[in-house]
Amino acid sequence: GNSVTQMEGPVTLSEEAFLTINCTYTATGYPSLFWYVQYPGEGLQLLLKATKADDKGSNKGFEATYRKETTSFHLEKGSVQVSDSAVYFCALSARDSNYQLIWGAGTKLIIKP
Amino acid sequence: DAGVIQSPRHEVTEMGQEVTLRCKPISGHDYLFWYRQTMMRGLELLIYFNNNVPIDDSGMPEDRFSAKMPNASFSTLKIQPSEPRDSAVYFCASSLASDTQYFGPGTRLTVL
Repeated sequence: GNSVTQMEGPVTLSEEAFLTINCTYTATGYPSLFWYVQYPGEGLQLLLKATKADDKGSNKGFEATYRKETTSFHLEKGSVQVSDSAVYFCALSARDSNYQLIWGAGTKLIIKP
Repeated sequence: DAGVIQSPRHEVTEMGQEVTLRCKPISGHDYLFWYRQTMMRGLELLIYFNNNVPIDDSGMPEDRFSAKMPNASFSTLKIQPSEPRDSAVYFCASSLASDTQYFGPGTRLTVL
């Protein structure tokens, strides 16, 4: 079946550090890939998405590239801020899962000033 | 657009009581999802609807849980009777077809 694997957290970085959160997936066909973010006490928000191979999703300085050859969708940001502290979820949507989101476990990111 | 609206935001109840959570999806969206989030189990899909019809309720933990969607702008998730292990944050989300899901702010349920 389809699945998503994220790196375990928490990930702790200093402000202005480079961020990578790894995400790999297993799916048949060509899924759409998503990163959602959940700030403390809030619901999940779409951060970025990509719908086909080699697409790059970007938003708020975050980027992720859909790599079919490595079945990955790693999240990156060049310089993190304290306000980026949150839980980040990788997810996929595929036809054979009736387009329901298959979620990773989430990675908690802590940015220290 | 107002986004997905959930009520109440917080609910504290005693074991054995009935709890009803409410959701208003984004206007025009044809899919509605109910999720539960806990530290132990993470984010779980409970049930989802398409055009007001329940499509998959395999995630509903047991018969104490039920969900309805009487029209395109309203859904409820009911727990009767509630138990302490039902304590969690419950999210409602909606989407247009198979596109991005938009989440509400959640209802934090505490069952004493």
